[in-house]
Amino acid sequence: DTEVTQTPKHLVMGMTNKKSLKCEQHMGHRAMYWYKQKAKKPPELMFVYSYEKLSINESVPSRFSPECPNSSLLNLHLHALQPEDSALYLCASSLYPEASGETQYFGPGTRLLVL
Amino acid sequence: SQQGEEDPQALSIQEGENATMNCSYKTSINNLQWYRQNSGRGLVHLILIRSNEREKHSGRLRVTLDTSKKSSSLLITASRAADTASYFCATTGFQKLVFGTGTRLLVSP
Repeated sequence: DTEVTQTPKHLVMGMTNKKSLKCEQHMGHRAMYWYKQKAKKPPELMFVYSYEKLSINESVPSRFSPECPNSSLLNLHLHALQPEDSALYLCASSLYPEASGETQYFGPGTRLLVL
Repeated sequence: SQQGEEDPQALSIQEGENATMNCSYKTSINNLQWYRQNSGRGLVHLILIRSNEREKHSGRLRVTLDTSKKSSSLLITASRAADTASYFCATTGFQKLVFGTGTRLLVSP
């Protein structure tokens, strides 16, 4: 299995809602990532989990809360989002967090619209 | 910002033609990667070139790297409509990929 899966594919939420994005991989990868991508822009790193521990938080607002329940799963909990948070949220994984230049495998993304 | 710059921003060619896109970056690197993204979906890794390599081939892809100029290029030969996508270079820091601004390639039949 060489796939990263993400659910849901699309999500519409109001500013008072709480929702979660889910990411799963079964490649035995020990690093997992969340990226945010706005239209016609490159992906921007949000969080990195290394061996199930949060290792990088790119100064992301607290209304985004990541969670790594086990080595295969990564969640992103959303609360009190703003319309400007509407974007494509991409999950990725790589084999060894400590190695430089590891290839990252991306999921198809969740397209989020905040109303 | 460490983000790389790519040019052109957009490129439109006919099937069978070659497409060249360029990436310039700001910091010293261990390696540089190229990724493809179809229609705002997930990214797919295309090729990695290490800092001690000058050129690398993979199928119809040819990547060059000039560390003295802090630049890389991606050449797609004999392009196909299915090559229509956005292409990003990415430099690698510790546990991070930093993506360039991207080139949107349109290949018309």
